[in-house]
Order: sequence, then structure tokens, then C-alpha cells
Amino acid sequence: QVQLVQSGAEVKKPGASVKVSCKASGYTFPSYGINWVRQAPGQGLEWMGWISTYNDNTNYAQKFQGRVTMTTDTYTNTAYMDLRSLRSDDTAIYYCARVAGYCTGGSCHPIDYWGQGTLVTVSS
Amino acid sequence: DIQMTQSPSSLSASVGDRVTITCRASQDISNSLAWYQQKPGKVPKLLIYTASTLQSGVPSRFSGSGSGTDFTLTIYSLQPEDVATYYCQRYNSAATFGPGTKVDIK
Repeated sequence: QVQLVQSGAEVKKPGASVKVSCKASGYTFPSYGINWVRQAPGQGLEWMGWISTYNDNTNYAQKFQGRVTMTTDTYTNTAYMDLRSLRSDDTAIYYCARVAGYCTGGSCHPIDYWGQGTLVTVSS
Repeated sequence: DIQMTQSPSSLSASVGDRVTITCRASQDISNSLAWYQQKPGKVPKLLIYTASTLQSGVPSRFSGSGSGTDFTLTIYSLQPEDVATYYCQRYNSAATFGPGTKVDIK
């Protein structure tokens, strides 16, 4: 069955970076892109960006451009999201989520599977 | 950048009521729209995609309609297990979510 298993909770100081991993199993990894979505405490869902697991093309939300990097490792079927210059308002649950089909230039299908989420807390 | 809005932000209805949630895109997104249900402490669940296609396993009381800029999610007979927050999402290149609609039982 399709599974996305994310790395564990992180506590970071303002200005630091965090790298969240997302290991996929149960399907052909290069055939489905990955979205990264975050949710601050008590808030809604915020799309951060998309990465093609086929050729590493990315499409980042304008808000995060210059501060986020998304990568994949097709040998280990793992996607990564690296967020730099952390602030207190980056405190959130970060989700990886599978796009339900093959896309080339961005997220062109809905999300059909989600990781369990990784809580990132930014606090001095 | 295309913005997504939803209304209302919250609603309270009785069991058996018909509930309607509206989602609006700031530009034409054709039918590249999905609806998700998120219960407290859980990950979102895909309900509807391409604006009106019911995801496998989703009860038929859920229905979606619309195209272009205006979309609707209807729950035809609200059940206690439908208490959740509902989000629309466009997925034409970027994948912006609406702000969500919290649904409660009166």
C-alpha cells in the first residue's frame, strides 16, 4: 500500500534551517510528484511547493522562493524539504503529499496520499 | 498569483440538513479544483477532484460542481461524522488552498 513516512519532530532556533524527509513506498516513486504543505497551529493548509520525482523540476510558492529547497533521492525513494532562516511563524506541521498523477511543470493533479506530518517548532 | 476564497468560514447545521460551501478562484482555473475534508488531528482526505468527480470510497451525499472561477461543495444530508474543516484547492501548476470552512452540528 502507498505510504509516505516523514522524519520526526524538530525544535529549531530562529535563523536556523530544518530539513524534513519523506520516504515513499508502495508505488513507483518517479511517476508521482510530491507537494509540500504546512499547517500552523489552529490554521489552514498552506501549499509550499511541488517537486517532480522524475526530473527534480520544482515550482515553489512565491512566499517561500529563496528560502525553501525541495529535492528527491530516487535511490531511496525519499523527498526532502529544506527551509532556511526560520522564524517563529514557521512553527507548523509540515506534510509531504503525493500528487495523484504525472505532471511536468507543476502540480497538475490533486493530492491522494499524505505523510503523517512533521512538527517543526521554532523558538528561542 | 491566483487566490482562492471560501464562504462561509464556518457554519452550524442540523443532522440531515443540506450544506453548501462555496469556493471562488481569482482567475479561471477550468475544472482543476479539489475538495478535502480534515478532521481534528488528522491529515486531509480527498473528497472530490476535477470539480465534480467523487473520490473512490467517499459517500454519495458529497457532491461538487462548478467550473472556471466558481465552485460548490454540497453535503446533501449532513451526518455527525461530517464535522470537519473543508478546503478547496486549485491544482493548475500551483496548488493553492482556500482558507477552509469549519462545519459543525447544531
